[in-house]
Amino acid sequence: EDQVTQSPEALRLQEGESSSLNCSYTVSGLRGLFWYRQDPGKGPEFLFTLYSAGEEKEKERLKATLTKKESFLHITAPKPEDSATYLCAVLSSGSARQLTFGSGTQLTVLP
Amino acid sequence: DAGVIQSPRHEVTEMGQEVTLRCKPISGHDYLFWYRQTMMRGLELLIYFNNNVPIDDSGMPEDRFSAKMPNASFSTLKIQPSEPRDSAVYFCASSKRSGQETQYFGPGTRLLVL
Repeated sequence: EDQVTQSPEALRLQEGESSSLNCSYTVSGLRGLFWYRQDPGKGPEFLFTLYSAGEEKEKERLKATLTKKESFLHITAPKPEDSATYLCAVLSSGSARQLTFGSGTQLTVLP
Repeated sequence: DAGVIQSPRHEVTEMGQEVTLRCKPISGHDYLFWYRQTMMRGLELLIYFNNNVPIDDSGMPEDRFSAKMPNASFSTLKIQPSEPRDSAVYFCASSKRSGQETQYFGPGTRLLVL
């Protein structure tokens, strides 16, 4: 059974204080790892897809990296508008189209 | 592109009533997914369709839940009869065919069953 564990559950940062969110996964063959951002009262918003170990993708202050067991979402010099819940999901070779989601990291960036 | 459209955005109903949630996927997307999100269980896949055909409904909690996709631009999720434990946020998502598997989510329907 595919499993995704995100840590920490919650993270409070001061504006400008860089940090990383972790997504550990156990799958029977990774087809893709997805990062989403979810604001209160809204649907998950797609950020990145990573397909193979060593791959990195960047968007503004966010950079996602992937190894064979985990992914990191690095946030550089965050701003209050980066406050949201960040969700990680995996698509495995044994699951057709079904994504398995982690429980998310709730990020709060204080001004 | 308008993105995935869901209606209603909020629904309050009484136990035993029928509830119908609606979704319009992104034009050109072949896959449509229905999810439920709660604090306790997070995001759970209920059912998904490929080219309007239900592929996997193993996540549908009970026979009280049913979903249809009569055409490529419309899907419904129906709960009959509704129960308080069905209270959650229901999301619809869509994606393109194989090779472009990123799912794009709608804004959700927040359902409260009293």
